[in-house]
Amino acid sequence: QQQVKQSPQSLIVQKGGISIINCAYENTAFDYFPWYQQFPGKGPALLIAIRPDVSEKKEGRFTISFNKSAKQFSLHIMDSQPGDSATYFCAASGNSGGYQKVTFGTGTKLQVIP
Amino acid sequence: SAVISQKPSRDICQRGTSLTIQCQVDSQVTMMFWYRQQPGQSLTLIATANQGSEATYESGFVIDKFPISRPNLTFSTLTVSNMSPEDSSIYLCSVGGATQYFGPGTRLTVL
Repeated sequence: QQQVKQSPQSLIVQKGGISIINCAYENTAFDYFPWYQQFPGKGPALLIAIRPDVSEKKEGRFTISFNKSAKQFSLHIMDSQPGDSATYFCAASGNSGGYQKVTFGTGTKLQVIP
Repeated sequence: SAVISQKPSRDICQRGTSLTIQCQVDSQVTMMFWYRQQPGQSLTLIATANQGSEATYESGFVIDKFPISRPNLTFSTLTVSNMSPEDSSIYLCSVGGATQYFGPGTRLTVL
């Protein structure tokens, strides 16, 4: 059962544009929502994260918007650059059996063209 | 954050053989995790490895196919046994809690 749904599967954005990736979750027990960035041949790396008591978090060009009532959250990349071209995974974690278990979305492959 | 290394970085194996993947962390950690990432797919948790106890496997993964060792607080191995082409994936180890820190992965191709 896919507990975190992510869209779109792929995204092409012009340099300087805004990239938007959306995620939705089902389990209301999730209490932490990170985004990971993965470059080819590398493991995923934490990009930015948010807790459900906050509606927005911004770090540089990256912003998470969080809608608790709709069980949705999104990543916005402002002024997208070719170096942002990577695969992005949203995730949700919650306590399961005494430890934080992380469920990942299906991933979005972002290509930023010059 | 933790620095994690994996060996091998990639391998090409024949059907029916086994491969052991090593994961080394630069600090002592209680729990280590093993994920599988199939081509173009998301990350699926295989099992959680605690030092000194049996690994806990997720639904769809069994110990006979993916035996795990955790001999100390900085090291773990995952073996992919009796491989088939369907096992071709990237295998990742990680540590952490709500935030996971991943190794670079092992890209496995089974012919």
